[in-house]
Amino acid sequence: KAGVTQTPRYLIKTRGQQVTLSCSPISGHRSVSWYQQTPGQGLQFLFEYFSETQRNKGNFPGRFSGRQFSNSRSEMNVSTLELGDSALYLCASSLSLGQGASYNEQFFGPGTRLTVL
Amino acid sequence: DQQVKQNSPSLSVQEGRISILNCDYTNSMFDYFLWYKKYPAEGPTFLISISSIKDKNEDGRFTVFLNKSAKHLSLHIVPSQPGDSAVYFCAARRMGQNFVFGPGTRLSVLP
Repeated sequence: KAGVTQTPRYLIKTRGQQVTLSCSPISGHRSVSWYQQTPGQGLQFLFEYFSETQRNKGNFPGRFSGRQFSNSRSEMNVSTLELGDSALYLCASSLSLGQGASYNEQFFGPGTRLTVL
Repeated sequence: DQQVKQNSPSLSVQEGRISILNCDYTNSMFDYFLWYKKYPAEGPTFLISISSIKDKNEDGRFTVFLNKSAKHLSLHIVPSQPGDSAVYFCAARRMGQNFVFGPGTRLSVLP
């Protein structure tokens, strides 16, 4: 079974620009979550999508948005980029955030490294 | 306000010895906990989990202990191997909500 894929792997943008990141979950997984990782901060939860609906949202400004398509693929968009948005953006898929390990285990992609200059 | 804390940013252990990674949480409503391992340039990979109805879960060299009264969990790796050198994240959640991750502990296993 193919793992979670994220594109692009690396991205360099300048302040004020916008960016779209893409995530393809494991086949059959309907939940996709996005995280931002910065040094010393661990993984900060951005949002989770399930069946094309945003189910949970973290504490990030409205410049961060996302969506999920009918095939469970998800995109994340950041508008008006700031220097502080430089980070590794990770996508994770799971069957669902339900009961049991098989539902809760999240499989992560390799991430997209975004650098804002 | 960090709900999940890993107070040791780094840990060094000799090969063959035990590695103990600690994690503390503040939200008593958390009912499910996981440990992830992350190598550079890769996404985190799931290691082991524990539900709040248990106090121990074991999988090969990895054992997770949960002390609900202390809101503390720990990951034991025995014996430690050089390939275990990575950043370890602890994560917790309330049912139906997103996972909250700790900042990670970098483990170095010295040959």
